[in-house]
Amino acid sequence: DTEVTQTPKHLVMGMTNKKSLKCEQHMGHRAMYWYKQKAKKPPELMFVYSYEKLSINESVPSRFSPECPNSSLLNLHLHALQPEDSALYLCASSQEKGVFGTGRNTGELFFGEGSRLTVL
Amino acid sequence: TQLLEQSPQFLSIQEGENLTVYCNSSSVFSSLQWYRQEPGEGPVLLVTVVTGGEVKKLKRLTFQFGDARKDSSLHITAAQPGDTGLYLCAGGSQSTDKLIFGTGTRLQVFP
Repeated sequence: DTEVTQTPKHLVMGMTNKKSLKCEQHMGHRAMYWYKQKAKKPPELMFVYSYEKLSINESVPSRFSPECPNSSLLNLHLHALQPEDSALYLCASSQEKGVFGTGRNTGELFFGEGSRLTVL
Repeated sequence: TQLLEQSPQFLSIQEGENLTVYCNSSSVFSSLQWYRQEPGEGPVLLVTVVTGGEVKKLKRLTFQFGDARKDSSLHITAAQPGDTGLYLCAGGSQSTDKLIFGTGTRLQVFP
């Protein structure tokens, strides 16, 4: 069983709707991530939060708005999405945000099962 | 742009066969992780390698990190249907300070 919980598992929304994806972890991890995954493709990084502060935004359109209310929760607010935004949205956490210079902090990710989003 | 190319893209084999998946880059990575993703689920970490030339074994899976830390391989012995899934390598990059995912290898093992 994954220790990163995502809700909802499936979401269908129209282009004018506002919805949110939620992610929760209770492993005491201080880094949390949103990834987008299209069918048969690897995950693409969207956002990274480290100690509840936004650390990386991979030039994601503003119709996606992340929020980290506390160290256990991560939300992704969705508004005015396009059909091409339909994808599997994966939340992940790691003990700390990876620091890749030394090989000691490798930022190993624990993923949730994902929220499958369909935009009509 | 740093890229991690995996080969093959797709692999369809019979139960009991051996296989190797490759993960290659022109860039040096400080660490390399391998994940497996089953349909409808998120990726699950299999292993992390950090030292050039390092070899790690996980039951029937053997992982190797290249001496120059630019490539890695995953070898599965006597594949089973439960090994079916998308295999992803991911490299930790000092220059970008984030994890770069490989292009993925989709494995199907038939009984």
